[in-house]
Amino acid sequence: GAVVSQHPSWVICKSGTSVKIECRSLDFQATTMFWYRQFPKQSLMLMATSNEGSKATYEQGVEKDKFLINHASLTLSTLTVTSAHPEDSSFYICSARPSDRDTEAFFGQGTRLTVV
Amino acid sequence: SQKIEQNSEALNIQEGKTATLTCNYTNYSPAYLQWYRQDPGRGPVFLLLIRENEKEKRKERLKVTFDTTLKQSLFHITASQPADSATYLCALSRGGGGNKLTFGTGTQLKVEL
Repeated sequence: GAVVSQHPSWVICKSGTSVKIECRSLDFQATTMFWYRQFPKQSLMLMATSNEGSKATYEQGVEKDKFLINHASLTLSTLTVTSAHPEDSSFYICSARPSDRDTEAFFGQGTRLTVV
Repeated sequence: SQKIEQNSEALNIQEGKTATLTCNYTNYSPAYLQWYRQDPGRGPVFLLLIRENEKEKRKERLKVTFDTTLKQSLFHITASQPADSATYLCALSRGGGGNKLTFGTGTQLKVEL
């Protein structure tokens, strides 16, 4: 099956610093990737849709200047949490879908971000 | 507003029994309904997809039904095993460009010996 790799698996950073999370589709090309956020015992909340070669589409209430998304190639999207604060601590998950399919999504293993 | 609800309580069943999980939605007309499994600290893993014009789908010990009139999907795991213990998420999509998924709240299943 299709494999999506997310890096790092976990990161601890200080308040005010920025953190970059990478999402790679290893064996397929993905025109679209998605970034989710998940708080403990809650479901996945879509933050933004990342489109290769164009600007990301952010969900209502998500600050685009705080969560910078870059989809530079058909196999890589990055999410940068800028000026991180403790309330940004969460589990961030990316997903990708092969460009020739519009059905199931394949997810990365997630990144646990802790801001201290 | 759109709402997707799953069994809010955790579901505990005995090994060998059939687990049935429920997904109800309102204010939504999905083209697809999908079920995912999520283990603690991991990303979701795709299990099954059922389209709006399908009533039932099966894959090994898994069965999904989809009733667009009731706006409900049922997810069954037959001959359940302790290894089936996880959180199960339903997700809806209208399909088409982008195919954005909206996830339900998830149901935690525990299969006991």
